[in-house]
Amino acid sequence: AQSVTQLDSQVPVFEEAPVELRCNYSSSVSVYLFWYVQYPNQGLQLLLKYLSGSTLVKSINGFEAEFNKSQTSFHLRKPSVHISDTAEYFCASQRRGNTPLVFGKGTRLSVIA
Amino acid sequence: SAVISQKPSRDICQRGTSLTIQCQVDSQVTMMFWYRQQPGQSLTLIATANQGSEATYESGFVIDKFPISRPNLTFSTLTVSNMSPEDSSIYLCSVRDNLNTGELFFGEGSRLTVL
Repeated sequence: AQSVTQLDSQVPVFEEAPVELRCNYSSSVSVYLFWYVQYPNQGLQLLLKYLSGSTLVKSINGFEAEFNKSQTSFHLRKPSVHISDTAEYFCASQRRGNTPLVFGKGTRLSVIA
Repeated sequence: SAVISQKPSRDICQRGTSLTIQCQVDSQVTMMFWYRQQPGQSLTLIATANQGSEATYESGFVIDKFPISRPNLTFSTLTVSNMSPEDSSIYLCSVRDNLNTGELFFGEGSRLTVL
């Protein structure tokens, strides 16, 4: 069975500090991996995705995630966070093919001034 | 990317009633899914809405409680039947418009509160 584990339910961090949000996936077959962000009272937006190729993927607002097949991880990082990064972050995986996404429980990132 | 409109955006409902949520996409899409996000929790897949045939439900979800229609490639509805307070949740329509990328696009969601 496919599953996604986000180990941290809440991560408080001071502004301009680095952050890492952890995500581990479980699947017996190859998967696509995604990070979605949900700002307060808004819908989900795709932050970045790994489909194939380079294991390091980046978003336009400074986040990056690295696909690590041996550790079955897809951790999200940002070297310096801003107040505006405060949101809920969801990691998701999808078995290749026309299948739905499976989501982790989410990590609430709170950036403190 | 697909633009998804959901109606209603929010509603307050009485126990025992039913509510239908509409999902309209601005382009034809191959796959449409309905997710539920209960307060403070992650997204759980309810069903895959199949065009022209019965929806495919996930474990724990049944057609009698969550009937789904998908008459064409741009529109779907989800009905929450005989609601109870436990059905208070955000219901999200999502679509995939490119089979090769896997990416899902989400509507803003419909926030239901059942009294």
